[in-house]
Amino acid sequence: EDQVTQSPEALRLQEGESSSLNCSYTVSGLRGLFWYRQDPGKGPEFLFTLYSAGEEKEKERLKATLTKKESFLHITAPKPEDSATYLCAVRFGFGNEKLTFGTGTRLTIIP
Amino acid sequence: DGGITQSPKYLFRKEGQNVTLSCEQNLNHDAMYWYRQDPGQGLRLIYYSQIVNDFQKGDIAEGYSVSREKKESFPLTVTSAQKNPTAFYLCASSVSLGGNYGYTFGSGTRLTVV
Repeated sequence: EDQVTQSPEALRLQEGESSSLNCSYTVSGLRGLFWYRQDPGKGPEFLFTLYSAGEEKEKERLKATLTKKESFLHITAPKPEDSATYLCAVRFGFGNEKLTFGTGTRLTIIP
Repeated sequence: DGGITQSPKYLFRKEGQNVTLSCEQNLNHDAMYWYRQDPGQGLRLIYYSQIVNDFQKGDIAEGYSVSREKKESFPLTVTSAQKNPTAFYLCASSVSLGGNYGYTFGSGTRLTVV
């Protein structure tokens, strides 16, 4: 069964303590992996799209990377305002334009 | 500013009642989507639409209905047939179906059965 798994479920870091979030997928014919940020009670905000193994995208303190079976969202020297839930989603197959979402990683940055 | 507006932010439904959630976008996006979000679960697709007057069932369409009479609007009706409607509902849009450039989400409607 095609699925998307994110780990860890929750992560608490001290301000400035770098770490990585993981998104692994078991799908056939990946046609895009997406990262979103979601603040409590709000809709997700688009961060990155990755299409092929080896691709990397950066935005401020965030860098997303992609391999054949997983993606990492690296956060460098995080600040309290980076606290949020980070969602991963994949699009796979041909003729299937839907996104399948993971359950997210809840990140808390402690001042 | 362009974006997606969902209303209301909070909605309470009585047993056996139909309710309609509003979703309006001014981004000139062709594709629109409805997702449901429950604690501990990923977003699940209810319905999606690529063009006006056309829409497709997602993974959990039972108990829901939609319409797409205008490009800007994609309302979702939660019918009495939906047995567990309490959830956070998110509307999204994208330039084209599949969203190569990402989806733009609204701020959500939290529906509670009372």
